[in-house]
Amino acid sequence: AQKVTQAQTEISVVEKEDVTLDCVYETRDTTYYLFWYKQPPSGELVFLIRRNSFDEQNEISGRYSWNFQKSTSSFNFTITASQVVDSAVYFCALSEAGGANSKLTFGKGITLSVRP
Amino acid sequence: KAGVTQTPRYLIKTRGQQVTLSCSPISGHRSVSWYQQTPGQGLQFLFEYFSETQRNKGNFPGRFSGRQFSNSRSEMNVSTLELGDSALYLCASSLLSGRLSYEQYFGPGTRLTVT
Repeated sequence: AQKVTQAQTEISVVEKEDVTLDCVYETRDTTYYLFWYKQPPSGELVFLIRRNSFDEQNEISGRYSWNFQKSTSSFNFTITASQVVDSAVYFCALSEAGGANSKLTFGKGITLSVRP
Repeated sequence: KAGVTQTPRYLIKTRGQQVTLSCSPISGHRSVSWYQQTPGQGLQFLFEYFSETQRNKGNFPGRFSGRQFSNSRSEMNVSTLELGDSALYLCASSLLSGRLSYEQYFGPGTRLTVT
């Protein structure tokens, strides 16, 4: 069975600090997909990034960066120079490969508060 | 492109009643999935529809059902409502093709309160 663990539950930082959100996953599949979603107070889940298990290249997009390490089953997300608008709940999710299976297994989420 | 839309946004029902929630996916997306979000259980997968067929189902009782129409719009139904069904119900659409798994785009959700 697949599982996603986000050990951090709440993180509070001051604006402009860097913050890393941790995600550890479990799956028996050799091909799988990892995602990060953001849920602001409005409630809508916003897609941030998708990674394939066969592509361990890390990525930077503006103030966001992702570190995918298959050896430790981790897919961590870093916000550089955080801003108040980054305050939200962040979810890591996993789906197994296969056109017949788009089910996302989510972690419990990390509540990030960025104080001015 | 317009995003995923869900109606209604808020709903209050009484125990024992039934409810139908609606979801319109992003144009061109043929896969629609439903999730339940509660403070205690977090985000849980309900079911997924593709080309009017249920392709995957989560671990929920038979009171939860859904369907998809030929235009990819989807509805989910909950019969005999229980207090524990109070939750945010999220619909997501995806460009699903073959063995690839694409990102899912979520709607704003329907907040269901059962009293």
